[in-house]
Amino acid sequence: EPEVTQTPSHQVTQMGQEVILRCVPISNHLYFYWYRQILGQKVEFLVSFYNNEISEKSEIFDDQFSVERPDGSNFTLKIRSTKLEDSAMYFCASRIGPNTGELFFGEGSRLTVL
Amino acid sequence: AQKVTQAQTEISVVEKEDVTLDCVYETRDTTYYLFWYKQPPSGELVFLIRRNSFDEQNEISGRYSWNFQKSTSSFNFTITASQVVDSAVYFCALSRMDSSYKLIFGSGTRLLVRP
Repeated sequence: EPEVTQTPSHQVTQMGQEVILRCVPISNHLYFYWYRQILGQKVEFLVSFYNNEISEKSEIFDDQFSVERPDGSNFTLKIRSTKLEDSAMYFCASRIGPNTGELFFGEGSRLTVL
Repeated sequence: AQKVTQAQTEISVVEKEDVTLDCVYETRDTTYYLFWYKQPPSGELVFLIRRNSFDEQNEISGRYSWNFQKSTSSFNFTITASQVVDSAVYFCALSRMDSSYKLIFGSGTRLLVRP
């Protein structure tokens, strides 16, 4: 069964460092997403991406965050200068098309900022 | 604005009991989707169901059933004859019926099924 894969599964970084979280969406999917879950809290939408541009972003997704799909397969989330409060589980998700199909989530990348 | 409320933060049952997880939502949209996801201790998000706002038929899938009532803005989830493997956090979510598919999640209900 096709799946969304995320790397790394866990990353520990120092405050102020740049972090890149990587995702490989399902191959024929066109819509891509990042969500975040701070430990013990709800899952929150960060950003949606379609046709090589951001479709929508939340207020959490400030200038410190960026996304790109550099090579047609990977979908990356970059945090330029991490803060303690960026510690969370980051989920990548993808789906095949507008208003169709389920949203497939990856297993998540846990980011710990020290 | 859209909002999902899961008032039950934690539920504990004994195996084989039935359990219902409540979900109440708020939206001004006339068309929308509702979802349930399961998050087991391993942390991934497992899709359980998606319902369209114009389809109020209840759904049953094995031991799982969902009761969608537009009149009360509720989309409750029942597990019949619960099993230890059902122990997880369950999230209800809402999205507009547009291309963004931005899911608004509730705060989740932690279900503990004791042997």
